[in-house]
Amino acid sequence: DADVTQTPRNRITKTGKRIMLECSQTKGHDRMYWYRQDPGLGLRLIYYSFDVKDINKGEISDGYSVSRQAQAKFSLSLESAIPNQTALYFCATSDFGLAGGGDEQFFGPGTRLTVL
Amino acid sequence: AQTVTQSQPEMSVQEAETVTLSCTYDTSESNYYLFWYKQPPSRQMILVIRQEAYKQQNATENRFSVNFQKAAKSFSLKISDSQLGDTAMYFCAFRSETSGSRLTFGEGTQLTVNP
Repeated sequence: DADVTQTPRNRITKTGKRIMLECSQTKGHDRMYWYRQDPGLGLRLIYYSFDVKDINKGEISDGYSVSRQAQAKFSLSLESAIPNQTALYFCATSDFGLAGGGDEQFFGPGTRLTVL
Repeated sequence: AQTVTQSQPEMSVQEAETVTLSCTYDTSESNYYLFWYKQPPSRQMILVIRQEAYKQQNATENRFSVNFQKAAKSFSLKISDSQLGDTAMYFCAFRSETSGSRLTFGEGTQLTVNP
């Protein structure tokens, strides 16, 4: 079974609809992240959470909200989807940090979201 | 703020040959970490190699190695004996010690290995 799962894998929706993307992990990591990937822009951080009570905005949080329901679950919501939120969305997790701090992030399989 | 730049949107290489992907970054911090991630057509993000800035020695993982030039703020990835399975998008990423595990990614380089 995959360590980091995302649902749905693909979603097409209409402008103005509320959408929730879900992420679950079995790695036991405290830290979780949401990124979006756009062609030519790489991955950009939307929100991140270091534990259930600690949620922080990333570089592009406008139009998004998150919920950390448990250590293993981190959801991303688009309250009112718009076409320029069409992108590939990734959830990732990491441990507190290895010696030296070079902790690897483990990514889910991604959700392809299309907003019409 | 840190920035990461990959100036080669696309590259191609013949199978069994060597290719180098470029990455430059900008930071005022002295200690940080650099990563190369691979994204094959399956779109799964896979860590290829990691380098700690305080280590002089360049990291190596089998056919993958880096050329880390701290003064020049350059972090290139060399793939030796390229294989068809190396065809993927490659992302360079940066993390500083003060960024709380957050990664800053470059734009990506699409590598195609031709038979």
